[in-house]
Amino acid sequence: GAGVSQSPSNKVTEKGKDVELRCDPISGHTALYWYRQSLGQGLEFLIYFQGNSAPDKSGLPSDRFSAERTGGSVSTLTIQRTQQEDSAVYLCASSLELAGDNEQFFGPGTRLTVL
Amino acid sequence: AQKVTQAQTEISVVEKEDVTLDCVYETRDTTYYLFWYKQPPSGELVFLIRRNSFDEQNEISGRYSWNFQKSTSSFNFTITASQVVDSAVYFCAIDNQAGTALIFGKGTTLSVSS
Repeated sequence: GAGVSQSPSNKVTEKGKDVELRCDPISGHTALYWYRQSLGQGLEFLIYFQGNSAPDKSGLPSDRFSAERTGGSVSTLTIQRTQQEDSAVYLCASSLELAGDNEQFFGPGTRLTVL
Repeated sequence: AQKVTQAQTEISVVEKEDVTLDCVYETRDTTYYLFWYKQPPSGELVFLIRRNSFDEQNEISGRYSWNFQKSTSSFNFTITASQVVDSAVYFCAIDNQAGTALIFGKGTTLSVSS
């Protein structure tokens, strides 16, 4: 596709449920990032994937959060046993290789609401 | 660790006014990259500029200009003759030490009225 796509655009879930958020990066982009945007915390880095290298998971807030990237393309962010503080917009971005050297293209985000 | 401070939370101007958005950063790295992104009401982050720490030349792109000063660790953004379409949240960012992510400031909400 022309840009980064994310699905669903909105997700409402009940506390304690698991959710999966999907990201389709721009074709040919080897680097993929997940960020979280919430009112109180601004934009926070969650996880970074680059090719076949081990991901940088240093931004994941707890072990309830995990992500995978299959075949070097599509990525899924999973939040287990969701809590109300997980409510936020989850943004995916992709770029050609490293974050500093290249512009990151962002998707429209998934708005997650945990009731 | 890297840090970006955007002290202005909200700015309101009238069309055709010039406006400067401040960005101050902290880093121990000698090589780093600075960015500005725009987030319009539609929500999608739009890339505006990337600047290498070795390049201190100011840059102008249409009504937009950027002033990078290493001596004061600042990377300010000026919009000349603002327009209503410039209304958005603007984020300044720096790449993290590993180069694997961007560290964003809290953003400045710019409102331009007609």
